[in-house]
Amino acid sequence: AQSVTQPDIHITVSEGASLELRCNYSYGATPYLFWYVQSPGQGLQLLLKYFSGDTLVQGIKGFEAEFKRSQSSFNLRKPSVHWSDAAEYFCAVVTFGNNNDMRFGAGTRLTVKP
Amino acid sequence: NAGVTQTPKFQVLKTGQSMTLQCAQDMNHEYMSWYRQDPGMGLRLIHYSVGAGITDQGEVPNGYNVSRSTTEDFPLRLLSAAPSQTSVYFCASRSGRSYEQYFGPGTRLTVT
Repeated sequence: AQSVTQPDIHITVSEGASLELRCNYSYGATPYLFWYVQSPGQGLQLLLKYFSGDTLVQGIKGFEAEFKRSQSSFNLRKPSVHWSDAAEYFCAVVTFGNNNDMRFGAGTRLTVKP
Repeated sequence: NAGVTQTPKFQVLKTGQSMTLQCAQDMNHEYMSWYRQDPGMGLRLIHYSVGAGITDQGEVPNGYNVSRSTTEDFPLRLLSAAPSQTSVYFCASRSGRSYEQYFGPGTRLTVT
């Protein structure tokens, strides 16, 4: 079955430490890949996206993600986390030609320790 | 440019009541969608529309109706609310040229 998996429900990192949030997908073809961030009580904001080309993509707020076809992964990274990065992060995929069916992972909640 | 707007922000319903969640976008986007967000389940697609007059079901359509009479508006109707519909509802839109979706601020619905 097609799915998006975020293995980590909750991650805690210290401010200034590096961060990696994992995302794996299970689709027949290479999907379009997205990372969204949701601050408490807010809607979703797009951090970055991958459609094709360079497998390392840069996003807003200092985030980047790397697409690895062999591992069906699209992990989100940030070299130095700030307290304001505390939020919930969602990986999402869209399969080509599938109109508007954006599938989301369950989310990873990030806590930042001072 | 307001983007995607949703009303109301909060709503409490009793079981069996009906209501409509409003969604509007001012970006002239063809595609609009409704999602529900439940803890530990991410966002799940309820219904979507690829243009005025055209709607289709998503992953969890039961208990919800939609219509799309204009490009701007995409209301979601709950005909007979059930406690299982307690959730946060997000509306989203995108252009036909991009799969990047823009989300509204959400409506938190509680059904007692």
